[in-house]
Amino acid sequence: DIQMTQSPSSLSASVGDRVTITCRASQSISTYLNWYQQKPGKAPKLLIYAASSLQSGVPSTFSGGASGTDFTLTISSLQPEDFATYYCQQSYTTPWTFGQGTKVEIK
Amino acid sequence: QGQLVQSGAEVKMPGASVKVSCKASGYTISYYGLTWVRQAPGQGLEWMGWISPYNGKTNYAQSLQGRVSMTRDTSTTTAYMELRSLRSDDTAVYYCARGLSSAYPGAFDIWGQGTVVTVSS
Repeated sequence: DIQMTQSPSSLSASVGDRVTITCRASQSISTYLNWYQQKPGKAPKLLIYAASSLQSGVPSTFSGGASGTDFTLTISSLQPEDFATYYCQQSYTTPWTFGQGTKVEIK
Repeated sequence: QGQLVQSGAEVKMPGASVKVSCKASGYTISYYGLTWVRQAPGQGLEWMGWISPYNGKTNYAQSLQGRVSMTRDTSTTTAYMELRSLRSDDTAVYYCARGLSSAYPGAFDIWGQGTVVTVSS
């Protein structure tokens, strides 16, 4: 199975900060990488698919990048509603595995 | 745009089975893949398996092979996930989720609200 490793596991940031979360795949997954946001008690929400494509309706403050087996999710200016847990997920081959999550908290 | 509505919470004894339903509306169920994901309390997301759109073939996580079945009924636009021989570590929220497109089924753009399954004696 492909292992997805996110870093950091958690971070504290302030409204307006630029935040970057990293996800590393254990092997090549091309650009089959997706990002989700999950708030407590809610289902995950798709933010980015295919490494850098913004899902419809998602603010442009979110962006995704890729370099080899390393992927990034960047929030250019953190808003109050962005405090949540973020997961990466590879869809290159089944089982479609998720990272362990990154919790973004208010500083 | 589409919606997935799941069945209600379940409490089961160890060794029992549970069947969760996921009713789709606003789109044609046979055109999109349908994936099941679970989340144990305080834990991350675990992919369980999926039903491919065209032929309804299934692909399950190795860890659940032999205990899980995923089916769909196109006439009622409902998908089902059955998990057998339940254990305490199957306690989780179970989600169904739609694949983004036939060309990119591994990203999930529509999610059900989740079904809490509790396994306890």
